[in-house]
Amino acid sequence: DSGVTQTPKHLITATGQRVTLRCSPRSGDLSVYWYQQSLDQGLQFLIQYYNGEERAKGNILERFSAQQFPDLHSELNLSSLELGDSALYFCASSVASGTYQETQYFGPGTRLLVL
Amino acid sequence: DQQVKQNSPSLSVQEGRISILNCDYTNSMFDYFLWYKKYPAEGPTFLISISSIKDKNEDGRFTVFLNKSAKHLSLHIVPSQPGDSAVYFCAAAAPRAAGNKLTFGGGTRVLVKP
Repeated sequence: DSGVTQTPKHLITATGQRVTLRCSPRSGDLSVYWYQQSLDQGLQFLIQYYNGEERAKGNILERFSAQQFPDLHSELNLSSLELGDSALYFCASSVASGTYQETQYFGPGTRLLVL
Repeated sequence: DQQVKQNSPSLSVQEGRISILNCDYTNSMFDYFLWYKKYPAEGPTFLISISSIKDKNEDGRFTVFLNKSAKHLSLHIVPSQPGDSAVYFCAAAAPRAAGNKLTFGGGTRVLVKP
């Protein structure tokens, strides 16, 4: 158990809908990262938040957004869902902002299926 | 543009023998490398890491070697155990250049036969 929690574990929805994925980092970790794992793309970085502020951005679609709240939990919002958004979404956390070498610890993931 | 590559999609090894997993990278800004193990329906589990100032790091049965000039790293698991059967991902980071995002290889599926 990494100490990172994600809810829900599974999500089935329809095209055009909007969903929210939730992540709670390990106790004491200030950074939260979101990754997407799809069949053809492998694990891809989406976005990083550090202590409530956006720190780094990857190839995140404009239909996707995220935020980190004062209690440090984070939410990833996916809207206008398309079939291709079906994937595993992982959250990871680390102690600080990433300006030095530090390890990220991953949650169990949310499996999203868009029908 | 795959900056981190694991060229072997799968590996089969006998229990008790050595498993060697390879990873190549192209971005010279990467200065921190990690290996993760992943079981089906679970998140990646951190195994071992290495900083670019080192060429070897050991933790129990796991050893990671880094060859910066060749932009190559490898993970040695010895002795291999059936519980090591999983997908292994190599990941790289360039913390000072781009936050701390990890760039992952495509993974190598390891099967340890009893």
